[in-house]
Amino acid sequence: GENVEQHPSTLSVQEGDSAVIKCTYSDSASNYFPWYKQELGKGPQLIIDIRSNVGEKKDQRIAVTLNKTAKHFSLHITETQPEDSAVYFCAASQTSGTYKYIFGTGTRLKVLA
Amino acid sequence: GAGVSQSPSNKVTEKGKDVELRCDPISGHTALYWYRQSLGQGLEFLIYFQGNSAPDKSGLPSDRFSAERTGGSVSTLTIQRTQQEDSAVYLCASSPAQGGYTFGSGTRLTVV
Repeated sequence: GENVEQHPSTLSVQEGDSAVIKCTYSDSASNYFPWYKQELGKGPQLIIDIRSNVGEKKDQRIAVTLNKTAKHFSLHITETQPEDSAVYFCAASQTSGTYKYIFGTGTRLKVLA
Repeated sequence: GAGVSQSPSNKVTEKGKDVELRCDPISGHTALYWYRQSLGQGLEFLIYFQGNSAPDKSGLPSDRFSAERTGGSVSTLTIQRTQQEDSAVYLCASSPAQGGYTFGSGTRLTVV
């Protein structure tokens, strides 16, 4: 079955700096890769996603890149702000439709003011 | 409601007791998923329901865990004879046919 690895487990950056979180997956059948942000005491929320026919996607300060050959994808947050502090999860799935996601173990991001 | 509702938000139970966790998905969402989040860990897939199809139970860790979804809407996750290692946050999500999870806030289960 699919296995998703995520690094680093914790990341501290100064406000205004960039943050990068990396994930690798094992199942070549996976073709949909969402990223979720989880704030304390809340459920995860989708922040950006990418499908396998696209190499990069950007939404304001957040971008995701995908390398299907190497089976890895990354989340990039630029100009970090204190409100970006949260736990971030990557996931992989065989479809963007209704199907189970396999999640990484999460990255706790701390943005230092 | 507008979101996925889970109840209770917190549950403390004695080892060996059975517990039921409830999830009310977003109206009209065809799929419903259960995940478990242990302290400092990722989201572990448990089970998912899609329409009237047989559920994918491949993530359930033991036969003490079961789930049902009545009328294609509300779902209940049942854990029998709870053990301390069952302590975790149990998250429910639902999605429409085109995908995209909306998570609830979870039920924090503590087995003492």
